[in-house]
Amino acid sequence: GDSVTQMEGPVTLSEEAFLTINCTYTATGYPSLFWYVQYPGEGLQLLLKATKADDKGSNKGFEATYRKETTSFHLEKGSVQVSDSAVYFCALSEKGAQKLVFGQGTRLTINP
Amino acid sequence: DGGITQSPKYLFRKEGQNVTLSCEQNLNHDAMYWYRQDPGQGLRLIYYSQIVNDFQKGDIAEGYSVSREKKESFPLTVTSAQKNPTAFYLCASSDRALNQPQHFGDGTRLSIL
Repeated sequence: GDSVTQMEGPVTLSEEAFLTINCTYTATGYPSLFWYVQYPGEGLQLLLKATKADDKGSNKGFEATYRKETTSFHLEKGSVQVSDSAVYFCALSEKGAQKLVFGQGTRLTINP
Repeated sequence: DGGITQSPKYLFRKEGQNVTLSCEQNLNHDAMYWYRQDPGQGLRLIYYSQIVNDFQKGDIAEGYSVSREKKESFPLTVTSAQKNPTAFYLCASSDRALNQPQHFGDGTRLSIL
């Protein structure tokens, strides 16, 4: 079945550092790809999405590009802030389906 | 404001008891979902419903039951058959159109006394 693999955490960075969280996927067909963020004690919030190859999703300074050739959707941010500390989930939705398949999540901590 | 409301935020259950988690949405979404989240793990799908009066099992449906009598509501019952019910439960909804993102509630944390 379809699956999503994220880089293992936790990830700890200093404020203003560059962030990359790796995400690769296995799927039949061409899924839509999502990044969600979860702050402590809360549900998940959609951060960004991409629905076809070479699409770039972006929001709040975060970016991710749908790479079909490497089956990847890595999350990047040029300068992180303390408020970015959260758990980040990569997910895919199969074409023609509404179910999401999630990666295991990556906990990010930003120190001042 | 439109959104998804889960209640209660914290819930405690005695051994052998059934307990029902509430999920209500006012986003006019047709599809609704229940996920279970365990520490350090991703979300696993319990049940989902694409339309009123219809629902399907997800990956870990054993020990759980749902109903979908109204578009706005999708309650989840954790039965005594669920051997390890302590977890964080998340409800979500989405439009039926393809590739639409899911919107999540703030979750219910269930603990066994």
